[in-house]
Amino acid sequence: QKEVEQNSGPLSVPEGAIASLNCTYSDRGSQSFFWYRQYSGKSPELIMSIYSNGDKEDGRFTAQLNKASQYVSLLIRDSQPSDSATYLCAVRHDAGGTSYGKLTFGQGTILTVHP
Amino acid sequence: DTGVSQDPRHKITKRGQNVTFRCDPISEHNRLYWYRQTLGQGPEFLTYFQNEAQLEKSRLLSDRFSAERPKGSFSTLEIQRTEQGDSAMYLCATNWVGVTNSYEQYFGPGTRLTVT
Repeated sequence: QKEVEQNSGPLSVPEGAIASLNCTYSDRGSQSFFWYRQYSGKSPELIMSIYSNGDKEDGRFTAQLNKASQYVSLLIRDSQPSDSATYLCAVRHDAGGTSYGKLTFGQGTILTVHP
Repeated sequence: DTGVSQDPRHKITKRGQNVTFRCDPISEHNRLYWYRQTLGQGPEFLTYFQNEAQLEKSRLLSDRFSAERPKGSFSTLEIQRTEQGDSAMYLCATNWVGVTNSYEQYFGPGTRLTVT
């Protein structure tokens, strides 16, 4: 079992729709979760961080965290063609012991928003 | 632009040659991470520095790889005797302790290595 798994893509949604991206993780002790967007040929760009159970909203983006189910999701409302990218879920190994906060990433989900 | 810079942006080298990459974080960023990303995969952790101390290394970091952060500012990653399997994007990410959201890591633009 991979440490961080994302729903297999690619995901295609029409412009204006809600895109839903999902991620599960195996380390029950993880406390910090991130979503990065990566355009083709570019480096990952941080778009959301979430640390507590529940929803966190930032503009058109909503991150949802359920630690009991070990599940993180990202909703993109009113999807635009410019949202077309690979979305990476990342889980932070919390500092302490031999871990110093490195991130473990899922394989990414390719999102395409078509006009 | 996160303020983290990497150089070079692209590197093409022949198998067996040595290469060195550089990462310049924002000056107050005391934590620096190196990751490697291959096509279709998420980034994988390579090594971590806190100030000038290298505190964690991945098993991915074979003895052909070495990293330094001599003065706690910029960092270098060297690959000796490159192999075709080293072809990847090498990413540097930084953050800093002492402010809110200190767990967020910000990536530089990356160095794309192609080994022929």
